[in-house]
Amino acid sequence: DAGVIQSPRHEVTEMGQEVTLRCKPISGHNSLFWYRQTMMRGLELLIYFNNNVPIDDSGMPEDRFSAKMPNASFSTLKIQPSEPRDSAVYFCASSFGAGVATDTQYFGPGTRLTVL
Amino acid sequence: GDSVTQMEGPVTLSEEAFLTINCTYTATGYPSLFWYVQYPGEGLQLLLKATKADDKGSNKGFEATYRKETTSFHLEKGSVQVSDSAVYFCALRDTGGFKTIFGAGTRLFVKA
Repeated sequence: DAGVIQSPRHEVTEMGQEVTLRCKPISGHNSLFWYRQTMMRGLELLIYFNNNVPIDDSGMPEDRFSAKMPNASFSTLKIQPSEPRDSAVYFCASSFGAGVATDTQYFGPGTRLTVL
Repeated sequence: GDSVTQMEGPVTLSEEAFLTINCTYTATGYPSLFWYVQYPGEGLQLLLKATKADDKGSNKGFEATYRKETTSFHLEKGSVQVSDSAVYFCALRDTGGFKTIFGAGTRLFVKA
């Protein structure tokens, strides 16, 4: 399997611009997670989906952030408008299971976002 | 709520030294415990896991034992290599939940 695929790998944009990050989970996985990683705050869970339905978006920092999962093989995380404090590495992860404790998450390589 | 606490880094060791990275947790149910590793410029990879008390997870020479009595899951390796230099994350996933709770990560540097 190709693993979790994320694009782009690097994104540099200017404040105020819209940014869209993309994720393709591992085929057959039914849960998808978006994380943000910064030096100051570590790894933060932003939102997760199960069977394409958002289950918990309490980690989404504010209304500027939105995420969608239109089908089982694709998800997007959008930031509009972007701000310098959004600069971070954004990871997508997927897992297979019913949300039980033994489920293992598989991470993508991340998208490094820089907002100038 | 559930939480994971791991030792602060960075940890700097010479090649072939013994490694211990401490991890303790707080959980209300019967969690599974994980160690993930992140190499520079990459995403997190599962290193090992244990799903119940007294289980030992092991992989690539690393080991960790699920200790319910001390709520710990310390990572050990008998002889580290330069290629083990990375950030290590302890994590738990509680029963009935989708979330994985990660520790802050411990950076390991191994010198030749």
